[in-house]
Amino acid sequence: GAVVSQHPSRVICKSGTSVKIECRSLDFQATTMFWYRQFPKQSLMLMATSNEGSKATYEQGVEKDKFLINHASLTLSTLTVTSAHPEDSSFYICSAIRLAGGHEQYFGPGTRLTVT
Amino acid sequence: DQQVKQNSPSLSVQEGRISILNCDYTNSMFDYFLWYKKYPAEGPTFLISISSIKDKNEDGRFTVFLNKSAKHLSLHIVPSQPGDSAVYFCAARGHAGNMLTFGGGTRLMVKP
Repeated sequence: GAVVSQHPSRVICKSGTSVKIECRSLDFQATTMFWYRQFPKQSLMLMATSNEGSKATYEQGVEKDKFLINHASLTLSTLTVTSAHPEDSSFYICSAIRLAGGHEQYFGPGTRLTVT
Repeated sequence: DQQVKQNSPSLSVQEGRISILNCDYTNSMFDYFLWYKKYPAEGPTFLISISSIKDKNEDGRFTVFLNKSAKHLSLHIVPSQPGDSAVYFCAARGHAGNMLTFGGGTRLMVKP
């Protein structure tokens, strides 16, 4: 199987601080990773597409200076929420596509961010 | 404008019966469709997919049907089991890239 991990699974931070979330593909190399957020009882909304070694592509309405994405290797992408505010509280999920594989995206378990 | 829609927010089915989850899309450029299952506070789990060149794909208890002319796909689960209770998302991919567009999800409840 294809395993994607996220760390941390839960984080509580104070307003104005920054939080880094890691997404790792554990048993495969991923050319592309995606970052989603999900609000309660809503669908997954794509935030950005992260390609190894290049700048992330952000979806319309997502502030690239607020949500910093770094895809440093074929197995690791990080999302940093800078100067977090309570409205950033959400469930953040990453996914990855195999370097050599099909079209399936494999999702991480998600990170619950609560900004107080 | 939602390009992928799941019009039923919830569905309740008796154990052993068939569950049918529906999904409609508007973008004719989508060429690959996927179904994911999601439990609360967890990431989605891939279930089954179908290419636009096919009209049916079967994997165990799960079958996905695609009707391109109607821009409609459905996921059949038979027989349904209580452990199938979760939120199911359909997703579509355009041939221009790997980005997925998700529907709003349908919460399936399978009653014992």
